[in-house]
Amino acid sequence: NAGVTQTPKFQVLKTGQSMTLQCAQDMNHEYMSWYRQDPGMGLRLIHYSVGAGITDQGEVPNGYNVSRSTTEDFPLRLLSAAPSQTSVYFCASRLAGTGGEQYFGPGTRLTVT
Amino acid sequence: AQTVTQSQPEMSVQEAETVTLSCTYDTSENNYYLFWYKQPPSRQMILVIRQEAYKQQNATENRFSVNFQKAAKSFSLKISDSQLGDTAMYFCAFERSGNTGKLIFGQGTTLQVKP
Repeated sequence: NAGVTQTPKFQVLKTGQSMTLQCAQDMNHEYMSWYRQDPGMGLRLIHYSVGAGITDQGEVPNGYNVSRSTTEDFPLRLLSAAPSQTSVYFCASRLAGTGGEQYFGPGTRLTVT
Repeated sequence: AQTVTQSQPEMSVQEAETVTLSCTYDTSENNYYLFWYKQPPSRQMILVIRQEAYKQQNATENRFSVNFQKAAKSFSLKISDSQLGDTAMYFCAFERSGNTGKLIFGQGTTLQVKP
């Protein structure tokens, strides 16, 4: 199993550009999430999904869009990049239910200039 | 809303010694889970230990153990016989019951193990 994969690993965008961060998992996990990590703030939830076709907002959803058309994939779209979106982005997945281990991807470091 | 607080931004410990990382949380829930995740310089997030709130017994995983004080809403991590490979950022996280998979993280504590 490849686990949770994310592409790209690094990305530089100009203000106003759009892009999609890719996330895929091959563990047949129902739950998938996107977090952003900023210094001194830990990880904050952007969007999450409990199954294909079902998504919901997390703590910091503004400026981001998600969809989940398959169990395996959960892309994160930046609609119009802003310098405040400079961060490290993590995708995670886990089995349905409460208290299970989250499996994280390797992260994408995004810089918006 | 739930919050998780880690009040120690940085800590250091000598190799082979014991260190305790602090975490407090705020919730009105009765059933929930608490986690400690480790993030080494590679940036990969790794689960260290997990505690179910309705279990009174503190969780233990090899050199890692927790002190879970439900009434005080405290969840500290003790690392015994510290090793150089324990150098990492450690995050405390909360998940309420309800089948959403949503984690709320603390700010993190950077631990440096010195030889």
